[in-house]
Amino acid sequence: SQQGEEDPQALSIQEGENATMNCSYKTSINNLQWYRQNSGRGLVHLILIRSNEREKHSGRLRVTLDTSKKSSSLLITASRAADTASYFCATLPKGGGTSYGKLTFGQGTILTVHP
Amino acid sequence: DTGVSQDPRHKITKRGQNVTFRCDPISEHNRLYWYRQTLGQGPEFLTYFQNEAQLEKSRLLSDRFSAERPKGSFSTLEIQRTEQGDSAMYLCASSFAAGGVDTQYFGPGTRLTVL
Repeated sequence: SQQGEEDPQALSIQEGENATMNCSYKTSINNLQWYRQNSGRGLVHLILIRSNEREKHSGRLRVTLDTSKKSSSLLITASRAADTASYFCATLPKGGGTSYGKLTFGQGTILTVHP
Repeated sequence: DTGVSQDPRHKITKRGQNVTFRCDPISEHNRLYWYRQTLGQGPEFLTYFQNEAQLEKSRLLSDRFSAERPKGSFSTLEIQRTEQGDSAMYLCASSFAAGGVDTQYFGPGTRLTVL
């Protein structure tokens, strides 16, 4: 079953605008990761934020994590048409054991950037 | 350096037939994962290996599904007696788990259509 819920389900913006996507999850996590998926293709890893981090930047990406609210957000600044894709958050559970490596994905946000 | 590769990229089969997919991970990655993704959803975990040991299997993985990773290198996922509900994208990922960070790199996926 999907742990995460992403909001919004779909987002349509103009090139140059910022895009913000939110993710909520239910259980304690070791880290949270964001992935991008272009139509019908595999997932590309974007950024990872650990449970003891609150904010992380990578190029035009900014990720925040609020473990008290069990939520994260992904901000893409100065969006480009090439950013058009589905974006997924995925959580890695806290603690050891065999479930440690298992990522739980949200349902994704479909981002469309119009040129 | 090549990424994760999967073969075939597309498979069309008739209900009741057996199919087998192959995944070649990034060399030296000790973990290999299988996920399934249906249209409009995020990937769902199926199973994963650390080296040649299969450490966890999802309840999604019915008796008709079997995965192997001989010698801890490539992996195969076999579906016996396919059903229309098996139609999905099957994604493979690999990682080198160390220090509590487990960034998974995904292959392009195998899209299965069961007629």
